[in-house]
Amino acid sequence: DGGITQSPKYLFRKEGQNVTLSCEQNLNHDAMYWYRQDPGQGLRLIYYSQIVNDFQKGDIAEGYSVSREKKESFPLTVTSAQKNPTAFYLCASNQDPRHGYTFGSGTRLTVV
Amino acid sequence: AQSVTQPDIHITVSEGASLELRCNYSYGATPYLFWYVQSPGQGLQLLLKYFSGDTLVQGIKGFEAEFKRSQSSFNLRKPSVHWSDAAEYFCAVSASGGYNKLIFGAGTRLAVHP
Repeated sequence: DGGITQSPKYLFRKEGQNVTLSCEQNLNHDAMYWYRQDPGQGLRLIYYSQIVNDFQKGDIAEGYSVSREKKESFPLTVTSAQKNPTAFYLCASNQDPRHGYTFGSGTRLTVV
Repeated sequence: AQSVTQPDIHITVSEGASLELRCNYSYGATPYLFWYVQSPGQGLQLLLKYFSGDTLVQGIKGFEAEFKRSQSSFNLRKPSVHWSDAAEYFCAVSASGGYNKLIFGAGTRLAVHP
């Protein structure tokens, strides 16, 4: 079945370390997105990519970086510059705006 | 700028009771509208969507929603709630043109009493 795979499900990071969250899709979707979810704040857009080798900042891009070298993959790096990285991170993709997004199952990142 | 408001942060209903979750949006033209559901620690699942046509749309799990342009609303309803419906519900809107960025409301957490 087609879908989005996020890994790992849980991730622990020490302060000052960079960490990369994986997102892979086999839906043949052009567009991919990263959202951050904090309690009571809904979902906030970090980065998005509409095509391979191109991506744009979302609303809260500071302290994050992405790459889009392959259509199937859109990894997110949480850098040491992100001051409050503990959160639930969701990856999504879509092809047709009328049909909404398909989401992965998320990665919970905790800074220890 | 587009925005989505879900006025109710928490709602508690009894099993078997009817449910209505409110969603209001701000957008100049007719947007694409969506409702998603999220169980704890999971991703979001699409319940239903509206982009044109009949303003009453049916979704999965017995949910429906009605688009009311005059009220800028897209409320989610279910006639009889099951205990398994306990989850968080998100309303989302996107522009009908241009890139496909979705704007999400803050969510409504639904609790179901037996």
